[in-house]
Amino acid sequence: SQQGEEDPQALSIQEGENATMNCSYKTSINNLQWYRQNSGRGLVHLILIRSNEREKHSGRLRVTLDTSKKSSSLLITASRAADTASYFCASSGNTPLVFGKGTRLSVIA
Amino acid sequence: GAGVSQSPRYKVAKRGQDVALRCDPISGHVSLFWYQQALGQGPEFLTYFQNEAQLDKSGLPSDRFFAERPEGSVSTLKIQRTQQEDSAVYLCASSLDRDKAFFGQGTRLTVV
Repeated sequence: SQQGEEDPQALSIQEGENATMNCSYKTSINNLQWYRQNSGRGLVHLILIRSNEREKHSGRLRVTLDTSKKSSSLLITASRAADTASYFCASSGNTPLVFGKGTRLSVIA
Repeated sequence: GAGVSQSPRYKVAKRGQDVALRCDPISGHVSLFWYQQALGQGPEFLTYFQNEAQLDKSGLPSDRFFAERPEGSVSTLKIQRTQQEDSAVYLCASSLDRDKAFFGQGTRLTVV
């Protein structure tokens, strides 16, 4: 399998706390993307960071990319109960999007 | 349409039965992807189309799986002689390029 890995596999936090998820990938990339999936639903694109970028922000999301370590992190600040979902990173390079196994985030009100 | 549409949403098939899963991508999207997602796992790549051309089918698990997109729009994923290990959610996504992908809600296939 070409899948990357997310870490941790599951994360449970209190509302208002920050959530950090990490991702490692295996091949050279053009960009790395993060998606969110609510239970039983399709994936929703959150943010894309290109291989020549190191950090990107979008609202409460902050993504970093370290191509030398083939890793990325997603930070969600001031989490809300509605952020409860699974989060996947997806690497895009010579092959179509390759997804990791995901982090299940639970935000407790 | 407003988004990627997949049908049916749920399919129960008897082992050995053939199934066909449909994907209507966003109008004008050149790229179309099929993924298989097992419970609790991330999506696994199956195949990729650019317009009507199937450019990558390296993820199809066996020759029982076949995908087509004859007119560069709607795509069908066909599974012949279904087996229990084929039970999964099948996700379709479309994209203008190979960057941001828009996913459908998926078809949940259960083989009994």
